[in-house]
Amino acid sequence: SQQGEEDPQALSIQEGENATMNCSYKTSINNLQWYRQNSGRGLVHLILIRSNEREKHSGRLRVTLDTSKKSSSLLITASRAADTASYFCATDPNTGNQFYFGTGTSLTVIP
Amino acid sequence: KAGVTQTPRYLIKTRGQQVTLSCSPISGHRSVSWYQQTPGQGLQFLFEYFSETQRNKGNFPGRFSGRQFSNSRSEMNVSTLELGDSALYLCASSIGTSGTAREYFGPGTRLTVL
Repeated sequence: SQQGEEDPQALSIQEGENATMNCSYKTSINNLQWYRQNSGRGLVHLILIRSNEREKHSGRLRVTLDTSKKSSSLLITASRAADTASYFCATDPNTGNQFYFGTGTSLTVIP
Repeated sequence: KAGVTQTPRYLIKTRGQQVTLSCSPISGHRSVSWYQQTPGQGLQFLFEYFSETQRNKGNFPGRFSGRQFSNSRSEMNVSTLELGDSALYLCASSIGTSGTAREYFGPGTRLTVL
């Protein structure tokens, strides 16, 4: 499978703490994206990082990409209860036009 | 711009029946992808259409099919439903060019097969 894998599968933290989740993938990519999904709903795009970028910031989000290790990490700083959701990475391989989603990390932020 | 819309939002069917789900992409988007999401398998890619042509296909049986119309709206059909087809079906649209494409997701159709 070319799917990515997120780690950990589940994460529970206190409000105000930072949350870090990781994504590993198998093939060369054009870009990697992170999405958030609230329970049973559609996915919301968070951030896209291109293969030639190493780090990107958006508000309280920080994404890193290490193409040599085929891995990415998403850091959410100063977490809030509203950040409780599942987080998925999606890769866009440079062969074809299909997106591959990881298995997701379920984040719970305790108020 | 209006977002991606999917209809119906909820659907209950029985085994053996068939079902058609609809997806209207964001205006100007030419690519529509379909995903099946289940607790056990996560998000699985079904297929992607671009300009009325199926461009990519996931590893699903032939009971799952789709099409795209000239206005980029897409439908997905599942024939001879099985219990295991119960899932959240997500549609996503994008401009369609690889490399920088970002997918915009609809709210999904929750299909329950009894």
